[in-house]
Amino acid sequence: NAGVMQNPRHLVRRRGQEARLRCSPMKGHSHVYWYRQLPEEGLKFMVYLQKENIIDESGMPKERFSAEFPKEGPSILRIQQVVRGDSAAYFCASSPRDSTRETQYFGPGTRLLVL
Amino acid sequence: GDSVTQMEGPVTLSEEAFLTINCTYTATGYPSLFWYVQYPGEGLQLLLKATKADDKGSNKGFEATYRKETTSFHLEKGSVQVSDSAVYFCALTQGRGGADGLTFGKGTHLIIQP
Repeated sequence: NAGVMQNPRHLVRRRGQEARLRCSPMKGHSHVYWYRQLPEEGLKFMVYLQKENIIDESGMPKERFSAEFPKEGPSILRIQQVVRGDSAAYFCASSPRDSTRETQYFGPGTRLLVL
Repeated sequence: GDSVTQMEGPVTLSEEAFLTINCTYTATGYPSLFWYVQYPGEGLQLLLKATKADDKGSNKGFEATYRKETTSFHLEKGSVQVSDSAVYFCALTQGRGGADGLTFGKGTHLIIQP
C-alpha cells in the first residue's frame, strides 16, 4: 500500500525558471494539501484541493504560484519565475474524505533550491 | 487566527530521561490536535492525535492529553531513546465544514545522547 508519492525529491532551478512539483495521493484519497517549509520554520499551509476543485488557497502567494488536481493524474504545484526566496521544502499530504478529524498523510517532500 | 506555540529547541537529553515538549494553542471552536515527527531528510509522520477535550493520544511510548482549560497538548515520554532524535511538530485543524489545512508550530528539535 504505497504512501503519498512526491517527485522529484530534489529540484534545482535558476532564477526566472519554472518549477513543477508533483504529488500522487494515497490510494483512495481524494483530498490533497500542499505545505511549504522554510529553513528552521514549521510548515505553512498553502492550498487544499479536491479532484478538479480548489477548496482553500488562502495560504498561496498571490502571484507566480498555482496548483491543480486534475481528474486523472497527480496534483501539481507550479511556481513560475522562481526567486531565491522560493527555496524551501514543499510537502504534499492527502486524506480520504471530508472530516475535521481525518488524519493527513504526508509525502517525503520536494526540496527546491533556486540558484 | 489560529496559532500553535511550541517550546524552543534544541532540547538535549540523555538516553532514558523523561521528556516533555510543551505545546499551547489558540483557536476558536473545538480543533483536533496532532503531534507529527520529522526525521532528517524525510516527510512528517503522524505520531499521535486527539479529537476532543480530555482525550489522550498515545503511540510508541509517547502521550499527549488534550487540555481545553489550559489550551495545551504537551508531549511526554517516560524514557527516551537515541532513535527518538528528530523534530517534533504540534499542529491543529479546525475543519470548517470539511477537512482543511493544518496549523503547525515551529517545531522542536530533540537530540538524545547515548
